[in-house]
Amino acid sequence: GESVGLHLPTLSVQEGDNSIINCAYSNSASDYFIWYKQESGKGPQFIIDIRSNMDKRQGQRVTVLLNKTVKHLSLQIAATQPGDSAVYFCAENRDNFNKFYFGSGTKLNVKP
Amino acid sequence: SQTIHQWPATLVQPVGSPLSLECTVEGTSNPNLYWYRQAAGRGLQLLFYSVGIGQISSEVPQNLSASRPQDRQFILSSKKLLLSDSGFYLCAWSGGEDQPQHFGDGTRLSIL
Repeated sequence: GESVGLHLPTLSVQEGDNSIINCAYSNSASDYFIWYKQESGKGPQFIIDIRSNMDKRQGQRVTVLLNKTVKHLSLQIAATQPGDSAVYFCAENRDNFNKFYFGSGTKLNVKP
Repeated sequence: SQTIHQWPATLVQPVGSPLSLECTVEGTSNPNLYWYRQAAGRGLQLLFYSVGIGQISSEVPQNLSASRPQDRQFILSSKKLLLSDSGFYLCAWSGGEDQPQHFGDGTRLSIL
């Protein structure tokens, strides 16, 4: 399944499928990006980050892709599990004070 | 390892009452510290950030203030709460530029 950020705030996928969550950022000067996972009633949890000198970065079951030309960021989750159900936020660092600006989030529902 | 603590986890306050939310970080020195507010089903709005003791920058005009009396202590305050101050308040820290922010588990504030 694939979301387009603000236009599809909820993404439902079957357990075991791959998930793709998209995010459009606004500032072409942003040079550092982070994906966070937020479970209900908790603070956001760091998943993976990427700097603007990279196009792709992989972690355990997750991959982040950065397309600076169109200012687009995506998070791919392989073999999605029920524990992946949460809201996912992208965040961009626009300046030198380590201030991040967050998207509105995409809710991922994993169906067993 | 570094840890961040926020308290209380939930708080119910009457309109016009004062507020003090506390955040402390352990296991690091001279962190950047942040206060965010999150409305239900929304992204995070940066309220204040601090790069050192006594150094506070405000992102948006509002009924709240922040203070950093010690290196690893960040306090969010208000003299008179408004109904619009309800929300989920999150504290975060980072090690500096181009470093991810790490969040506490937040305080759910309800104003009656």
